[in-house]
Amino acid sequence: LAKTTQPISMDSYEGQEVNITCSHNNIATNDYITWYQQFPSQGPRFIIQGYKTKVTNEVASLFIPADRKSSTLSLPRVSLSDTAVYYCLVGPKSTSGTYKYIFGTGTRLKVLA
Amino acid sequence: GAVVSQHPSRVICKSGTSVKIECRSLDFQATTMFWYRQFPKQSLMLMATSNEGSKATYEQGVEKDKFLINHASLTLSTLTVTSAHPEDSSFYICSARDRGTGELFFGEGSRLTVL
Repeated sequence: LAKTTQPISMDSYEGQEVNITCSHNNIATNDYITWYQQFPSQGPRFIIQGYKTKVTNEVASLFIPADRKSSTLSLPRVSLSDTAVYYCLVGPKSTSGTYKYIFGTGTRLKVLA
Repeated sequence: GAVVSQHPSRVICKSGTSVKIECRSLDFQATTMFWYRQFPKQSLMLMATSNEGSKATYEQGVEKDKFLINHASLTLSTLTVTSAHPEDSSFYICSARDRGTGELFFGEGSRLTVL
C-alpha cells in the first residue's frame, strides 16, 4: 500500500497558481496517481489522474517525475471556490484483486481574496 | 461520467436504532466497493472493503457486528450501523471500482447524526 504524504495546509491568493506536492516513495509499478478535491460534507471529486510525466486537463495539471516517487498538482489561477481539501491517492486501476485505497492527510487549501 | 449514488444523504436517528445507508453505482458494475468514515476536519478512514457476493473485509478496529456490510449485487452495497450511538455520528462515504476499467468513483457521502 503506497503511503502518501502531503503538506497539511496551504494558503494562496486569488489568481495565483498553486502547486501541491505529494510524496509516495513506495509507489508500485502498476500504480496510478489520482488527485481528488473535497468540499465540506461532500464526497471526493476527481480532478486528474496520471502515471508518468505530465497530464493536463481543463482544471489542473499533474507533474510526475521519472522516479514517480512524488507528484505535483498544479491549479492555475485559483479562485475562492477552490478552497477545499486536496488528496492524492495512489493505487492500481485494477478490475480485480484486493487493493485497498488509503487516504493520507490531504492538503487543506485556503484561497484568500 | 460514472456516478455513485448514496442514500440517504442525511439521517438523524435515536440512540439504539439501526440505520442503513445504500451505495449504488448508476452506470457501471462494481465488483468492489469501499466504505469510509470521516470525522470533522479529518481524512477519510477506510472501514471495509466489500466484494460482490462475498463477505466484507474490515479494517483493524472496525467492528464487523456493528457495521454490517452487504454487497448483494454488482451495483449495490449497503452499510448498516446497528444499535447506533452518538459516537457513531460521522460522515460515511462509499466508493466503487468499475468492473470494466478499474477506475474508482466516490459517492456524495451520508451524514449520520445519532441523538
